[in-house]
Amino acid sequence: NAGVMQNPRHLVRRRGQEARLRCSPMKGHSHVYWYRQLPEEGLKFMVYLQKENIIDESGMPKERFSAEFPKEGPSILRIQQVVRGDSAAYFCASSQGMGDEKLFFGSGTQLSVL
Amino acid sequence: SQKIEQNSEALNIQEGKTATLTCNYTNYSPAYLQWYRQDPGRGPVFLLLIRENEKEKRKERLKVTFDTTLKQSLFHITASQPADSATYLCALGSNTNAGKSTFGDGTTLTVKP
Repeated sequence: NAGVMQNPRHLVRRRGQEARLRCSPMKGHSHVYWYRQLPEEGLKFMVYLQKENIIDESGMPKERFSAEFPKEGPSILRIQQVVRGDSAAYFCASSQGMGDEKLFFGSGTQLSVL
Repeated sequence: SQKIEQNSEALNIQEGKTATLTCNYTNYSPAYLQWYRQDPGRGPVFLLLIRENEKEKRKERLKVTFDTTLKQSLFHITASQPADSATYLCALGSNTNAGKSTFGDGTTLTVKP
């Protein structure tokens, strides 16, 4: 029973390029969450999605960031025109929902912007 | 604004002793509180969840207490081992925003042999 899968594990982008981070939730989980962890800081909530719906995006920067969780395929976190400040570890988590609050995290994508 | 504070960034103890980590919060009325373990370069791993109407929860060598009056949770690891060395995160959640947990910055525990 595979856990939450994130890829790529490491992503290097130059300023102005686009970054696409992928997340496949655990089997049977339909709730996906994205968190960002900056160096020496804690996890910060970004967005909460269910299949084809954004439930809560209150933690997402208003510009350049978007997320989707299509009917088929993984959830995608997209960062357009990356800047150095976007360098961080991005973690995806999934849950069963329906009152089950336990989050299962992937190993994260380390984004480095040169 | 909501604030979560975890005791000292780093905690060093001797193997076999009990490690006690603290999580304090303000401007929040959580329905539940969770503790996670995070190793370097890895995602957090769920350990325990305790609800607002529960005082204490145990799992093997782990014990969590939750005092909603003091707005504090204590996380204990008894008979600590070097393998327990990691960063421990507390996270608060509400029933209206399940999954949108608010995390503390973590306490890094080092257990010395």
